[in-house]
Amino acid sequence: GQQVMQIPQYQHVQEGEDFTTYCNSSTTLSNIQWYKQRPGGHPVFLIQLVKSGEVKKQKRLTFQFGEAKKNSSLHITATQTTDVGTYFCAGRNSGYSTLTFGKGTMLLVSP
Amino acid sequence: DTEVTQTPKHLVMGMTNKKSLKCEQHMGHRAMYWYKQKAKKPPELMFVYSYEKLSINESVPSRFSPECPNSSLLNLHLHALQPEDSALYLCASSQDTTWGVQGKGGYTFGSGTRLTVV
Repeated sequence: GQQVMQIPQYQHVQEGEDFTTYCNSSTTLSNIQWYKQRPGGHPVFLIQLVKSGEVKKQKRLTFQFGEAKKNSSLHITATQTTDVGTYFCAGRNSGYSTLTFGKGTMLLVSP
Repeated sequence: DTEVTQTPKHLVMGMTNKKSLKCEQHMGHRAMYWYKQKAKKPPELMFVYSYEKLSINESVPSRFSPECPNSSLLNLHLHALQPEDSALYLCASSQDTTWGVQGKGGYTFGSGTRLTVV
């Protein structure tokens, strides 16, 4: 079955440092989504990437979808304490209609 | 209204109890989902409803019984649960179950019901 691996599991940074989480799929994906879950909260949809090589930005967040549509990354520039939470990637391939979530990367930001 | 509303927020139930979790959305979404999430783990899909019909059951034990009375409501009936069923139960909705070429495939999650089985 489809597997989505995500690394690192955990990262602790100082405020102002950059952060990147990576997602790799065992199969080619139709699209990939990213979610953020604050501690004690629920997943919140951030973005969906569909095209090979796609890059999208949301303020300090940059999302990339690999050329082969098997990997993706989320990069946060100059982290802030409000960025704390767990970031999940979730992929879909053409054979499935549901999302397969990665295990998530927990980000801690110290002031 | 861009929210998915779940009730109750917290629930403690005994192993012989029967209870129901409720989920409501008014975004006109035609796909609704139940997920289970354990601490420090990703959400785990349980059920998918598409246009009010159950389309996916991820081999969930029969002590969990979903119901979709109409396009805005989703229930999860619980009976004879085990302590290991304690978790955060999340409801989500999306426009439909397709992957949303127009970039509208994102799921909207409710805030969840934190269930403790004693």
